Amino acid sequence: AQSVTQPDIHITVSEGASLELRCNYSYGATPYLFWYVQSPGQGLQLLLKYFSGDTLVQGIKGFEAEFKRSQSSFNLRKPSVHWSDAAEYFCAVGEGGNTPLVFGKGTRLSVIA
Amino acid sequence: EAGVAQSPRYKIIEKRQSVAFWCNPISGHATLYWYQQILGQGPKLLIQFQNNGVVDDSQLPKDRFSAERLKGVDSTLKIQPAKLEDSAVYLCASSLGTGNGYTFGSGTRLTVV
Repeated sequence: AQSVTQPDIHITVSEGASLELRCNYSYGATPYLFWYVQSPGQGLQLLLKYFSGDTLVQGIKGFEAEFKRSQSSFNLRKPSVHWSDAAEYFCAVGEGGNTPLVFGKGTRLSVIA
Repeated sequence: EAGVAQSPRYKIIEKRQSVAFWCNPISGHATLYWYQQILGQGPKLLIQFQNNGVVDDSQLPKDRFSAERLKGVDSTLKIQPAKLEDSAVYLCASSLGTGNGYTFGSGTRLTVV
C-alpha cells in the first residue's frame, strides 16, 4: 500500500528566505506525486504534479519540486517565501488511473517578517 | 470553469443526530471523492465514485456513513447517527483521472457536540 511521510509538522521561515518542505513516499512502481496547499478555511489547491519525464517540476506561485527515486522523495522548494505562502502543505501519492490519492499529514508553514 | 461546490460550509450538531453534506463536481468530471480531514491530519478517503457507481468505499464506516451519487453528477454524504469523533472537515473532490490531480471544494466543517 502507498504511504506518504511529511517529517516536519511545522516550519517557520523568514519572509524572503528559501523554503524546502520534505516528502517521502512508499510505493513500488513510479508513483504519481502531488503537492497541494490549503489556506485556513479553504479546500486544497494543486501546486504541482509529477508522473514522468523531467524530475524537476515547476508549479504555480513560484514553487518547484524534485523527484528523487533513489531517496523516495519529492521535496517542495521555493527560493524566496512571501508572507502569503503561510498555509498548510500536503504531499500526496497515487498509482494513476482513477486510484485515489493518499495524503501525508501535512506541514504547516509560518512566515515571519 | 466553475469549481467544486459544497454545502453547507459549517454545521454544528449534537451527537446521535444526523447530518447530510452536498457536493456538485466540475462538469464532465466522472470521478468524485469524499475525504475526511480531522484537525491536524491529512485528508483520508471515505468513498470514490466513478459516474454513479462506487469504486472504493473500503474506509467508509458503513454502520453510520452513507453516500450516493444519483445520475452521476451531484453527491450527498450522510452521517447517522453522528459521534463526537466525526468532527472534521469533509472535502469533496472531482477529477478526470489521477494524473490530472483533483479539484477540491472548500469543504464542510462539521462539529459534533
